[in-house]
Amino acid sequence: GNSVTQMEGPVTLSEEAFLTINCTYTATGYPSLFWYVQYPGEGLQLLLKATKADDKGSNKGFEATYRKETTSFHLEKGSVQVSDSAVYFCALGRDTDKLIFGTGTRLQVFP
Amino acid sequence: KAGVTQTPRYLIKTRGQQVTLSCSPISGHRSVSWYQQTPGQGLQFLFEYFSETQRNKGNFPGRFSGRQFSNSRSEMNVSTLELGDSALYLCASSLLQAIAGELFFGEGSRLTVL
Repeated sequence: GNSVTQMEGPVTLSEEAFLTINCTYTATGYPSLFWYVQYPGEGLQLLLKATKADDKGSNKGFEATYRKETTSFHLEKGSVQVSDSAVYFCALGRDTDKLIFGTGTRLQVFP
Repeated sequence: KAGVTQTPRYLIKTRGQQVTLSCSPISGHRSVSWYQQTPGQGLQFLFEYFSETQRNKGNFPGRFSGRQFSNSRSEMNVSTLELGDSALYLCASSLLQAIAGELFFGEGSRLTVL
């Protein structure tokens, strides 16, 4: 079946450091891929998405490229801020099917 | 534009009781999905409703049920509560049935079962 695997956290970084959160997936066909972010005490928010191979999603300085050959959708940011501290979820979805989430990766950024 | 509203935000129940959680989607959204979030299991899909019909269902026991009303508001019910049902229950709405992943989440209802 379809599944998403994320690197375990927490990821601890200093402000302005480079961020990578790994995400790989298993799916039949061509799913859409997403990153959601959950700030403390809030619900999830869509951060970015990509709907086909080689697409790059980007938002708020975050980027992720849909790599079909490696079945990956790694999240990157060149310079993190304290305000980026949150839990990040990778997810996949196809057509009208339900969205499948990874287990989430907590990011902690210190000044 | 108001977001997804979930009530109550926090509640405490004891084993064997039942609970009903409510979700009001964004105006105009016809699809409502429910997820259970726990530290150990992450986000687990419960069910999705579209135009009052259950469209997808996750792998949860029959104690978990839901419904959607004609105004798209949704409720989920958990009967005979168990300690393991303690979790954050998240509701998400989307505009159309066919757009997988375009979900807008509420802040959740945190259920504690004692």
